[in-house]
Amino acid sequence: QKEVEQDPGPLSVPEGAIVSLNCTYSNSAFQYFMWYRQYSRKGPELLMYTYSSGNKEDGRFTAQVDKSSKYISLFIRDSQPSDSATYLCAILDNFNKFYFGSGTKLNVKP
Amino acid sequence: DVKVTQSSRYLVKRTGEKVFLECVQDMDHENMFWYRQDPGLGLRLIYFSYDVKMKEKGDIPEGYSVSREKKERFSLILESASTNQTSMYLCASSITGVDGYTFGSGTRLTVV
Repeated sequence: QKEVEQDPGPLSVPEGAIVSLNCTYSNSAFQYFMWYRQYSRKGPELLMYTYSSGNKEDGRFTAQVDKSSKYISLFIRDSQPSDSATYLCAILDNFNKFYFGSGTKLNVKP
Repeated sequence: DVKVTQSSRYLVKRTGEKVFLECVQDMDHENMFWYRQDPGLGLRLIYFSYDVKMKEKGDIPEGYSVSREKKERFSLILESASTNQTSMYLCASSITGVDGYTFGSGTRLTVV
């Protein structure tokens, strides 16, 4: 079993839709959870990070962690064409090692 | 903003060639990493370094080596390029893990 599993998509939504991106993980000791956004032909950039269970908001983006279910989500409200990218979840273990999901490709249609 | 610069965006090399991928960061980060990214496989760690002249193997080091002679520069070396090393290579740096990584724009390497 991989440490982090992510639905690869692709996910296609109309502009203005609410988008839900999800990952599951296997190790209950994981504590730091991050989301990266990667535009085509670019490197990933850090979008959000969270340490604990619950929600964290940043503008139109909300990161949610459910440690009891080992499930993390990224919600995008009022999605825009500029949100079209690949989104990668990333989890940091206690030894400073990152585990990345394989990425979900999102396309927001105008 | 921290900048991580990878010297080449696209490279085409022949099987058996020795290939150097260069990465430079400008914010005095201790930690530097090399990943490769393949469809369906995500990011896989090749090598990392927590200090000058220090290197550690990641999850897939076979066929690769690295060099870190200066703090700001971390080079990935493909000793004898093979077609299965065709991939997107990403360099990253960080202060600590919890701060996340800053990635370069990547080098898309094709080995023919």
